[in-house]
Amino acid sequence: NAGVTQTPKFQVLKTGQSMTLQCAQDMNHNSMYWYRQDPGMGLRLIYYSASEGTTDKGEVPNGYNVSRLNKREFSLRLESAAPSQTSVYFCASTERGGISTDTQYFGPGTRLTVL
Amino acid sequence: AQSVTQLGSHVSVSEGALVLLRCNYSSSVPPYLFWYVQYPNQGLQLLLKYTSAATLVKGINGFEAEFKKSETSFHLTKPSAHMSDAAEYFCAVRAISSGSARQLTFGSGTQLTVLP
Repeated sequence: NAGVTQTPKFQVLKTGQSMTLQCAQDMNHNSMYWYRQDPGMGLRLIYYSASEGTTDKGEVPNGYNVSRLNKREFSLRLESAAPSQTSVYFCASTERGGISTDTQYFGPGTRLTVL
Repeated sequence: AQSVTQLGSHVSVSEGALVLLRCNYSSSVPPYLFWYVQYPNQGLQLLLKYTSAATLVKGINGFEAEFKKSETSFHLTKPSAHMSDAAEYFCAVRAISSGSARQLTFGSGTQLTVLP
């Protein structure tokens, strides 16, 4: 099992450009999440998908959109990148989204720089 | 809404010394609590979790944490630090409820340095 995979690993954008971060999991998990990690702020939830076909906003959704393409894949799109979106982005998944004790499994991250 | 505070953004210990990383939570009811570790340039992985079954929780790599309701704390300890323990550690809380509140809320992290 590869677990949670993310592409690309690194990306540099200019202000105003768009891009999509890809995430896939092969653990047959129902719920998937996108976080951003900034120095001194821990991880903050951008969007999540409790199950295939549903998505919900997290703590910091502005400037982002998501698509739960199927049970395996959950993409994050920046329509018009801004320097404030420079961050490390992590995708995660859990087996059962409604169960509070479930472990979240994380991907290796995407380091995004917006100039 | 729940929140978590990690005291000390940087902690340094000598190899073989006790590791103590502090975490205090704020929640209207006792929540579920987690400790994650992040090694350089990697994603987070679970160290241990408290799910109300036992207040002393043992995790991987010799780490353990004790849930203390009276102190609203969930401090992480390891009796003897190893060089390989150098990493960033995150405490996280999740409410025992439905809806968005059951999402994980992370602390700001503690960077552990192990000195030879």
